[in-house]
Amino acid sequence: GAGVSQSPSNKVTEKGKDVELRCDPISGHTALYWYRQSLGQGLEFLIYFQGNSAPDKSGLPSDRFSAERTGGSVSTLTIQRTQQEDSAVYLCASSSPAGAQYFGPGTRLTVL
Amino acid sequence: GQQLNQSPQSMFIQEGEDVSMNCTSSSIFNTWLWYKQDPGEGPVLLIALYKAGELTSNGRLTAQFGITRKDSFLNISASIPSDVGIYFCAAPQGGKLIFGQGTELSVKP
Repeated sequence: GAGVSQSPSNKVTEKGKDVELRCDPISGHTALYWYRQSLGQGLEFLIYFQGNSAPDKSGLPSDRFSAERTGGSVSTLTIQRTQQEDSAVYLCASSSPAGAQYFGPGTRLTVL
Repeated sequence: GQQLNQSPQSMFIQEGEDVSMNCTSSSIFNTWLWYKQDPGEGPVLLIALYKAGELTSNGRLTAQFGITRKDSFLNISASIPSDVGIYFCAAPQGGKLIFGQGTELSVKP
């Protein structure tokens, strides 16, 4: 596709349930990033994949958060046992090596 | 972690006015980026700066990479209603981006 796509666009879940968020990066981009944006706040880095290298997971807030990138393309961010403080917009971005990052529209997660 | 200090936090201006916002850091960066985020959308890259002292324009937008490499500013000239949104500065750190807190711009017609 022409840009980064994310699904679902909105997700409402109950506290304690697991959720999976998907990101399709721009074709050919080797780097993929996940960020979290809480209401009225800037973007908080979560995790970064670059090619076949081990991902940089330094931003994941707890062990309930994990992410995979299969085949160097699509990525899934999984949040287990969701908590109300996990409510936020989750943004995915991709880039070519050393290039600027291009963002998807985000997934708005609401944990009731 | 590293912080980018962005100001002002919000601006309310009249259509046609010029706007200026800036970002500072205690650390040196080799790249500065400016993004705009519309409601319900992801941030969109406006301008990328790669060289200290560089001044780059994109239509009515002009951004400069500070000579000390610790700051950058973004100017918007002759603002229009569609300039409304949140503007973020960002800089790469170890492959990922760190962001300023954002400047929310409101434009009155």
